[in-house]
Amino acid sequence: GAVVSQHPSRVICKSGTSVKIECRSLDFQATTMFWYRQFPKQSLMLMATSNEGSKATYEQGVEKDKFLINHASLTLSTLTVTSAHPEDSSFYICSARGGAERRGNTIYFGEGSWLTVV
Amino acid sequence: QKEVEQDPGPLSVPEGAIVSLNCTYSNSAFQYFMWYRQYSRKGPELLMYTYSSGNKEDGRFTAQVDKSSKYISLFIRDSQPSDSATYLCAPNSGNTPLVFGKGTRLSVIA
Repeated sequence: GAVVSQHPSRVICKSGTSVKIECRSLDFQATTMFWYRQFPKQSLMLMATSNEGSKATYEQGVEKDKFLINHASLTLSTLTVTSAHPEDSSFYICSARGGAERRGNTIYFGEGSWLTVV
Repeated sequence: QKEVEQDPGPLSVPEGAIVSLNCTYSNSAFQYFMWYRQYSRKGPELLMYTYSSGNKEDGRFTAQVDKSSKYISLFIRDSQPSDSATYLCAPNSGNTPLVFGKGTRLSVIA
């Protein structure tokens, strides 16, 4: 079964509003989680690395003030898309690096969240 | 050179065929090698996990790693229509995020 859970799986919001996406590791502690964005028929693009208890590390070109990442516990990271615009509509996917109980360096993905900004 | 390169396909095969999916990488520090399967509109699902060079078999799937040539392969035996998906290779050094190529789109025709 799934070891990383994302919520919501699908969300529609109005332009200018903010949307929060949650990513949870279900049966392991994840000190590091990753957020990706994927446009249709494109590859997964890494947005940021989220470390528990510290600031996220953003990839070049990703606006940290627009995509707020919080990793407040060892099992939860959140991505908030602030002041969303239609061009932010995409498939957002989180992943988590498994701990010793989950083969150390294996990375598991959530089911993804479809964001549509209207 | 891109860090991870895959032929994006699409690759179309008849049901029952043996499928060979390949990937090259440039970073010699990679020592963990993962294959993910992604169905349309879903998150990637871990298929195979291999450490260092060699082969690993799991059911109809065999992963092969040749670190000397920086070449990794995934073989699917007796392919099924349910195997139709995008396959992503993900070599990793163990302490960095996964970086993906475009993935290879596979269609298995009944």
